[in-house]
Amino acid sequence: GGIITQTPKFLIGQEGQKLTLKCQQNFNHDTMYWYRQDSGKGLRLIYYSITENDLQKGDLSEGYDASREKKSSFSLTVTSAQKNEMAVFLCASSMGGAGNTEVFFGKGTRLTVV
Amino acid sequence: GDSVTQTEGQVALSEEDFLTIHCNYSASGYPTLFWYVQYPGEGPQLLFRASRDKEKGSSRGFEATYDKGTTSFHLRKASVQESDSAVYYCALSDHTGYQNFYFGKGTSLTVIP
Repeated sequence: GGIITQTPKFLIGQEGQKLTLKCQQNFNHDTMYWYRQDSGKGLRLIYYSITENDLQKGDLSEGYDASREKKSSFSLTVTSAQKNEMAVFLCASSMGGAGNTEVFFGKGTRLTVV
Repeated sequence: GDSVTQTEGQVALSEEDFLTIHCNYSASGYPTLFWYVQYPGEGPQLLFRASRDKEKGSSRGFEATYDKGTTSFHLRKASVQESDSAVYYCALSDHTGYQNFYFGKGTSLTVIP
């Protein structure tokens, strides 16, 4: 089996700061995702990537940038942290392509903005 | 566009109670339907999936049946345990080339011993 590693686990930032979250997977999956998880709102897609150097916007991409420089890694940047923002960011990966493949998740990065 | 609706936001049950979490979906064709479970401090993990009408998915005593007629995939368990306390997500995959997934808002289950 494989694993998705997200760093850091906890991230505290200041208002207006640019913050970067990192994700590594060793499944050799083509597709990777970043989701934001807020209580009562479920999982909302920020960005996804179907291959190295590809980026696709999700429903919540405003205020974020992403980078897929290698097949195994996918980073997310909060371009300007919002005061009192609290959320969990989940990285995920899947084989991609048509079919009923599973999506695998990391344990998340918990962001707090003070 | 595709979407998933979970009716219950929070559910509180006693041990050995019967559980139902409702999930309805909107999608064209035959999406694959999933139930994911998320324990505290962990990412969501697959409970089971189903990919065709009338197919039953099951795992760890949980089950759901794909019903294209009512566009539903309701999660059920006959007798819940305290260890089942978690957040449950219904999801669908629409079989596009990039394999996008759509998640419901999640249902937080608390089982009281």
